[in-house]
Amino acid sequence: EDQVTQSPEALRLQEGESSSLNCSYTVSGLRGLFWYRQDPGKGPEFLFTLYSAGEEKEKERLKATLTKKESFLHITAPKPEDSATYLCAVQAGTGTYKYIFGTGTRLKVLA
Amino acid sequence: DAGVIQSPRHEVTEMGQEVTLRCKPISGHNSLFWYRQTMMRGLELLIYFNNNVPIDDSGMPEDRFSAKMPNASFSTLKIQPSEPRDSAVYFCASSFMITGGQPQHFGDGTRLSIL
Repeated sequence: EDQVTQSPEALRLQEGESSSLNCSYTVSGLRGLFWYRQDPGKGPEFLFTLYSAGEEKEKERLKATLTKKESFLHITAPKPEDSATYLCAVQAGTGTYKYIFGTGTRLKVLA
Repeated sequence: DAGVIQSPRHEVTEMGQEVTLRCKPISGHNSLFWYRQTMMRGLELLIYFNNNVPIDDSGMPEDRFSAKMPNASFSTLKIQPSEPRDSAVYFCASSFMITGGQPQHFGDGTRLSIL
């Protein structure tokens, strides 16, 4: 069964304290792995797509990496405005190509 | 460009009433998705359309839920009759999907409260 597991569920960091969020997945024929940021009262905002193992994408303080079983979202020197819930999703390459979301990591960055 | 537009943003109604949620996808996108988000279950796919045709409705919880996409620029999700356990945030998302691997773009959701 296709599934996505994110860890930790919640993370508190001091401003400037780098860390990583994990997304483990099992899926038949990965079409893409997606990272989103969600702020309270808003819809998920697209950050990155990763397609194959070894691929990396960067945006400001965020860097996403992908292996055959998991993805990491590295946050370097975070700021309070990075506080949000980060969601990971995969798109299966068989069947109906639907997207499967993890339950997210709630990140709080303290000033 | 305008993003995905959902209406209403908030809906409060009494149990048993019909609820209709609306979505306008991004122009040019050919796939539309309806999700439900709760603290307990996270983001769950309810149904998705490709070229206005329902492709996967396995996430629709029961017959009280129905969704339509009469044209490429409009979709509705209807709950009739509504129950308190339907209270959640409902999101619509769209993408341009041919072979897969394209990201979805979300609206800001409808927060539904059934009393």
